[in-house]
Amino acid sequence: QITLKESGPTLVKPTQTLTLTCTFSGFSLSTSGVGVGWIRQPPGKALDWLAFIYWDDDKRYSPSLKSRLTITKDTSKNQVVLTMTNMDPVDTATYYCAHVEGPEGLGELNYWGQGTLVTVSS
Amino acid sequence: EIVMTQSPATLSVSPGERATLSCRASQSVNSNLAWYQQKPGQAPRLLIYGASTRATGIPARFSGSGSGTEFTLTISSLQSEDFAVYYCQQYYNWPQTFGQGTKVDIK
Repeated sequence: QITLKESGPTLVKPTQTLTLTCTFSGFSLSTSGVGVGWIRQPPGKALDWLAFIYWDDDKRYSPSLKSRLTITKDTSKNQVVLTMTNMDPVDTATYYCAHVEGPEGLGELNYWGQGTLVTVSS
Repeated sequence: EIVMTQSPATLSVSPGERATLSCRASQSVNSNLAWYQQKPGQAPRLLIYGASTRATGIPARFSGSGSGTEFTLTISSLQSEDFAVYYCQQYYNWPQTFGQGTKVDIK
């Protein structure tokens, strides 16, 4: 059974750095074709693909946010960590982590975490 | 970046009726297209992948079609639990972009 769960602060101040952790079980991030990453959703708005990391340590970022994002993995701990610098109130959103598996890591998102709401406010 | 455009933004349908949702890609994504359902306060749920393959446990009233740049999600007979927001997503290349969503509400 595959599960993913997000953890991190619920409130951050503008200009601070956000660090979110996705802890997963039921699969290995060492398996070829597997990836874990992050999608966010501002309140009442659409889903926004942020970043994914893959079994071979390939990393892919949203072009519009690439300068602010870093994604890393700890295979031994079954964790993926996303950092986002210089947070702004417009970054207020529910942040989801998700699992993907497919050729070269391209595939549908068949497992999602429950999401964690991050509010950016002073 | 591939832009995904969904229409309509809102679709008002009576229970038991058919709903047809559209998704258009700014360039061909072959059949690398997924549909998700999202209810308030919940994470998205995968409905369709490969443009037309139902995910595990998804009822047969949900069907997907299309390839290239034009895709359709059809719900043959809307049930009360189907009123939700639906998103398409391309996974042809990175970033794996989503559409803006179609809200299906009760007429």
